[in-house]
Amino acid sequence: SQKIEQNSEALNIQEGKTATLTCNYTNYSPAYLQWYRQDPGRGPVFLLLIRENEKEKRKERLKVTFDTTLKQSLFHITASQPADSATYLCALDEVGASKIIFGSGTRLSIRP
Amino acid sequence: DTAVSQTPKYLVTQMGNDKSIKCEQNLGHDTMYWYKQDSKKFLKIMFSYNNKELIINETVPNRFSPKSPDKAHLNLHINSLELGDSAVYFCASTSQDTQYFGPGTRLTVL
Repeated sequence: SQKIEQNSEALNIQEGKTATLTCNYTNYSPAYLQWYRQDPGRGPVFLLLIRENEKEKRKERLKVTFDTTLKQSLFHITASQPADSATYLCALDEVGASKIIFGSGTRLSIRP
Repeated sequence: DTAVSQTPKYLVTQMGNDKSIKCEQNLGHDTMYWYKQDSKKFLKIMFSYNNKELIINETVPNRFSPKSPDKAHLNLHINSLELGDSAVYFCASTSQDTQYFGPGTRLTVL
């Protein structure tokens, strides 16, 4: 069966360190993968999209990698700050179905 | 300037009642969605409309009926509410693969 797993429900790291979140999937062949940020009481906000033919994408302190052989995406936040504390969701498209499927999220806490 | 808006933000109601949630987007997108986020934060698609036409219905009970009067609006009506319907409901619209979410409606069924 198809699955998307963000294998840390919660991650707690020290300010200034790099946070690395993992998204694994099985039985999908996505054309792209996305990462969203969700703060408590708010809707998810789009951060980055990476396509199947791209290995890496960066945006300011964010970096996403996409390994279609391992069926895995890594999401990095460098020089992390307490303001980066939020839940991060990965999502991938279900080809031919006109929809994206979300993982269950990783709650990231950055302690000062 | 709100891109995707939903009303109400909070909805508390008794089992068996009928309620509606409204959604509007001012982004000019053709495709809109309803998602349900449960207590474990799992975000699951319910419906998708493209230019007022239903394109996705994810085995949602027929107590849930979406209605799209025009491509900027997608409302969700729920009949005979059950305890298990308690969740946060998000509306979203999409452009070029990116989803833009509303602020959510927290529905509590007592």
